[in-house]
Amino acid sequence: DTAVSQTPKYLVTQMGNDKSIKCEQNLGHDTMYWYKQDSKKFLKIMFSYNNKELIINETVPNRFSPKSPDKAHLNLHINSLELGDSAVYFCASSARQGTGLETQYFGPGTRLLVL
Amino acid sequence: GQQVMQIPQYQHVQEGEDFTTYCNSSTTLSNIQWYKQRPGGHPVFLIQLVKSGEVKKQKRLTFQFGEAKKNSSLHITATQTTDVGTYFCAGNRNQAGTALIFGKGTTLSVSS
Repeated sequence: DTAVSQTPKYLVTQMGNDKSIKCEQNLGHDTMYWYKQDSKKFLKIMFSYNNKELIINETVPNRFSPKSPDKAHLNLHINSLELGDSAVYFCASSARQGTGLETQYFGPGTRLLVL
Repeated sequence: GQQVMQIPQYQHVQEGEDFTTYCNSSTTLSNIQWYKQRPGGHPVFLIQLVKSGEVKKQKRLTFQFGEAKKNSSLHITATQTTDVGTYFCAGNRNQAGTALIFGKGTTLSVSS
């Protein structure tokens, strides 16, 4: 069984639309993350949730809104999509946050293309 | 803010040649992690280094953590085509509310 899963795997949409990406982990981890990877492969953290609570919110436009209904799920909703939002979005999870020792387990990624 | 610099950005080698990627942090790290991302895939954890001066080996891969805990390296001996991918270092300051800071990665290509 996949440890961290994301849906959809591919997402092609028009500028101005609203879309959501879903993430689920079955590892029993407390912390989940969203990363954005641009065309140059730079991995940048967007958000981190620990036990459904937002811990890290990097300078991300407020068109991006994460939601964690429970600690196994972290969804990402994006309003008014822009061309620059095209990227691969990775969900990840780790066992604990703040101890400095957590290994991150990444999902397969969602490839978003905004036309 | 804290930065983790990684060089080179790209490296092409002939199969059998060695390869090294270097990672430098602007601040002292509590630990450093290395990940590998195959083309079209997702980052996969390789190893974590915690102690100053630590050296760990995984088959042909050798990982080092600097004495000052500000730099690290990954060395691959006798590269194979299966080593192709992007290698990321990621540093952690062990402070609540902070996340892993990923380097920009080194993309390795290997020709046979």
